[in-house]
Amino acid sequence: QSALTQPPSASGSPGQSVTISCTGTSSDVGAYNYVSWYQQHPGKAPKLMIFEVSKRPSGVPDRFSGSKSGNTASLTVSGLQADDEADYYCSSYAASNDFEAIFGGGTKLTVL
Amino acid sequence: EVQLVESGGALVQPGGSLRLSCAASGFRFSTYWMSWVRQAPGKGLEWVANIKPDGSHKNYMDSVKGRFAISRDNAKNSLYLQLSSLRAEDTAVYYCVTNMAQNKFDYWGQGTLVTVSS
Repeated sequence: QSALTQPPSASGSPGQSVTISCTGTSSDVGAYNYVSWYQQHPGKAPKLMIFEVSKRPSGVPDRFSGSKSGNTASLTVSGLQADDEADYYCSSYAASNDFEAIFGGGTKLTVL
Repeated sequence: EVQLVESGGALVQPGGSLRLSCAASGFRFSTYWMSWVRQAPGKGLEWVANIKPDGSHKNYMDSVKGRFAISRDNAKNSLYLQLSSLRAEDTAVYYCVTNMAQNKFDYWGQGTLVTVSS
């Protein structure tokens, strides 16, 4: 199973919005509404930001939103803040085995 | 508060073995799927394996099948990963992660570093 495709980098100024894409196939992203997104600051463990395409866990600001169209999922961060600068990873369920989760290669978000 | 504390990471020679442990607290460990996810130095995340709440079903990524074994002890609120026939490409930080719903990795430990080198 190949990794999901994310752009290596994205950037925006404080207050702006930025969207990160995550492209898979009809066997993973396109087949299931089980896409999740994770934020990882340097030297820290990842943190769940979005699950089931567009749901936010308790405590995640509504500046973070998710969507999906066909084989591509997206994470949008609105009202960029300095602390949003981090690596972001998407993940999708992919039933090639009984269960398999695949991740994207990650996107480094820079707040200019 | 959910806490996941991994241990057992070390420097090991190619072909060697290691057992990772994860002590869980702050939630009903015995009712949730659990996963191991790894991250090679400077690289992205990679799901490794997961295990059903009662331990009766386990899944693995292709490259570790037959070499790694996931297990759990619900009485001790602990998750384990036995690593065998280790290769240089297994070098990574290994995270213990809760799986409270499909493809939903809710809580992560701080990770434990496994380095495979001669």
